[in-house]
Amino acid sequence: DIRMTQSPSSLSASIGDRVTITCQASQDINDSVNWYQQKPRKAPKLLIYAASHLEPGVPSRFSGTGSGTDFTFTISSLQPEDIATYYCLHYDYFPYSFGQGTKLEIK
Amino acid sequence: EVLLVESGGGLVKPGGSLRLSCAASGFTFSNAWMSWVRQTPGKGLEWVGRIKTKTDSETADYTAPVKGRFIISRDDSKNTLNLQMNSLKNEDTAVYYCITDPASGLDYWGQGTLVTVSS
Repeated sequence: DIRMTQSPSSLSASIGDRVTITCQASQDINDSVNWYQQKPRKAPKLLIYAASHLEPGVPSRFSGTGSGTDFTFTISSLQPEDIATYYCLHYDYFPYSFGQGTKLEIK
Repeated sequence: EVLLVESGGGLVKPGGSLRLSCAASGFTFSNAWMSWVRQTPGKGLEWVGRIKTKTDSETADYTAPVKGRFIISRDDSKNTLNLQMNSLKNEDTAVYYCITDPASGLDYWGQGTLVTVSS
């Protein structure tokens, strides 16, 4: 099974900061990675699919890059409403697996 | 608008059974692969399993911890996805989500239903 190692597990940043989260896959998974945002007591919401494609309706300050084993998720300018936990997901083949999550807080 | 509404969660004793359902609307359910994902505070998000369409033989795949105990099924006439959970264990306690599962990975999520396994 593929393991997704996500870092950091938590992150404190200021409004306007550039924020970066990484996920490393234990095997080559092409570009089969999605990124999700989860706010308290809500279901995860898809932000980025296929490593770098912005889901329609998602603000352009969110972006993703990577292929193979190394993937990066970036918020170019942190906004107050971005406070949430973020997860990566690999879906190259089953079983799918998620990263452990990154809890983003305001400094 | 895609809408997924899970139901059937609750408190069950270890060794018991529970059946979750997910009512789907806003898209052509019969054409959609569907997945279940669960979330616990301790283990985060865990993919449970997936069912393909009738065209793809309604093949279902499961993660190892639930294989042989959980069964995913679908009723395309009622736009409903089901998760039959048998021989439940304490570690199955989680919020269970149903999700559409296109080629680009999991996209639309339901609001989730809480399953608590405890004596």
